[in-house]
Amino acid sequence: DAGVIQSPRHEVTEMGQEVTLRCKPISGHDYLFWYRQTMMRGLELLIYFNNNVPIDDSGMPEDRFSAKMPNASFSTLKIQPSEPRDSAVYFCATAGSGANVLTFGAGSRLTVL
Amino acid sequence: AQSVTQLGSHVSVSEGALVLLRCNYSSSVPPYLFWYVQYPNQGLQLLLKYTSAATLVKGINGFEAEFKKSETSFHLTKPSAHMSDAAEYFCAVRGGNQFYFGTGTSLTVIP
Repeated sequence: DAGVIQSPRHEVTEMGQEVTLRCKPISGHDYLFWYRQTMMRGLELLIYFNNNVPIDDSGMPEDRFSAKMPNASFSTLKIQPSEPRDSAVYFCATAGSGANVLTFGAGSRLTVL
Repeated sequence: AQSVTQLGSHVSVSEGALVLLRCNYSSSVPPYLFWYVQYPNQGLQLLLKYTSAATLVKGINGFEAEFKKSETSFHLTKPSAHMSDAAEYFCAVRGGNQFYFGTGTSLTVIP
């Protein structure tokens, strides 16, 4: 199994640009979580899906952030427009039925100038 | 509500010494507890998990953790630290279908 695959691994962009982060979950995992990690705030849950349906998006910081899961094999996290304070590492993590164990991707490091 | 508290954001040990990383949990139901490790520029990897079976849980790389209900603790230990253990360690508790992470403990191993 290739694990949870995230792309891009690194993204540098300018303030105001749109950013799209991608995640391919482990096959058969029906839970998908998006986390953000910063030095100041640690690991924050942004949103999670179950069977492609968003269950809890209360962690999404503001309307500039949106996440979709059009099918069981793909999810995106979009920031539009991006701001310097969005600079962080964004992790996608997935879990099988029952959400017993989380498996993380390698993360996408975003730098907004 | 579920939460975990990690005591000590930074821990330093000498190579070969005991590693002890502390985690206390708060949970209204029997908890599922986890320890994850994060190496630089990598994602979090599962070290071990407690799911209400044996109270002493053995994980990868020689780590283990003991669930103590009376102390609401789930401390992580390793008898002898190795240089390769230097990393960030996160305690987590599952609540419903969500996972709540502690703020992490950075472990430094001194040669």
